Amino acid sequence: AQSVTQLGSHVSVSEGALVLLRCNYSSSVPPYLFWYVQYPNQGLQLLLKYTSAATLVKGINGFEAEFKKSETSFHLTKPSAHMSDAAEYFCAVTQRKGYSTLTFGKGTMLLVSP
Amino acid sequence: KAGVTQTPRYLIKTRGQQVTLSCSPISGHRSVSWYQQTPGQGLQFLFEYFSETQRNKGNFPGRFSGRQFSNSRSEMNVSTLELGDSALYLCASADLAENTDTQYFGPGTRLTVL
Repeated sequence: AQSVTQLGSHVSVSEGALVLLRCNYSSSVPPYLFWYVQYPNQGLQLLLKYTSAATLVKGINGFEAEFKKSETSFHLTKPSAHMSDAAEYFCAVTQRKGYSTLTFGKGTMLLVSP
Repeated sequence: KAGVTQTPRYLIKTRGQQVTLSCSPISGHRSVSWYQQTPGQGLQFLFEYFSETQRNKGNFPGRFSGRQFSNSRSEMNVSTLELGDSALYLCASADLAENTDTQYFGPGTRLTVL
């Protein structure tokens, strides 16, 4: 079984401040991990993914995430928030079974104030 | 390459009716998955198809069904609609030759049941 916990349903930051969105996973086997972003009335856009290569993963729009096996975490960060980053962010895990079944966290809404 | 497309984007139905949603995957992707997104339950996996075969199914009643055609396009059907079926239905495709379980999502179909 696998699960994902995202701490904080809402995170508020000021423009230019550090963004930190937390994700912890539970998986009985080494996982693949993903971060997706969803803008209002849109589908999910892939931000970045961890597939057992480098533990520090860089994604689009200046986001990055670090896989920490000892902490079972995959937190998403961005050094400087922009107004356009305001959206909902989802962490997801698969069990590398060769077919695609994502288990998602509940999502974190990122609010960016000027 | 063109992304995942879903039609229609919006649907309004009444209780007891049935509905069919369509999904065209990214060219070359043979795996198609469906997810339901609601404010209360978040993102939940419905089913996954590969080469016209359902390989995995989530915990949804039999009113939810799907199929995949030889060109990898997929449809999902919901019969005897209930108010609780109101949701955003997301389709995702994957190139399993990547061997990373990465899924790419369409914009979704917003279903409202009155």
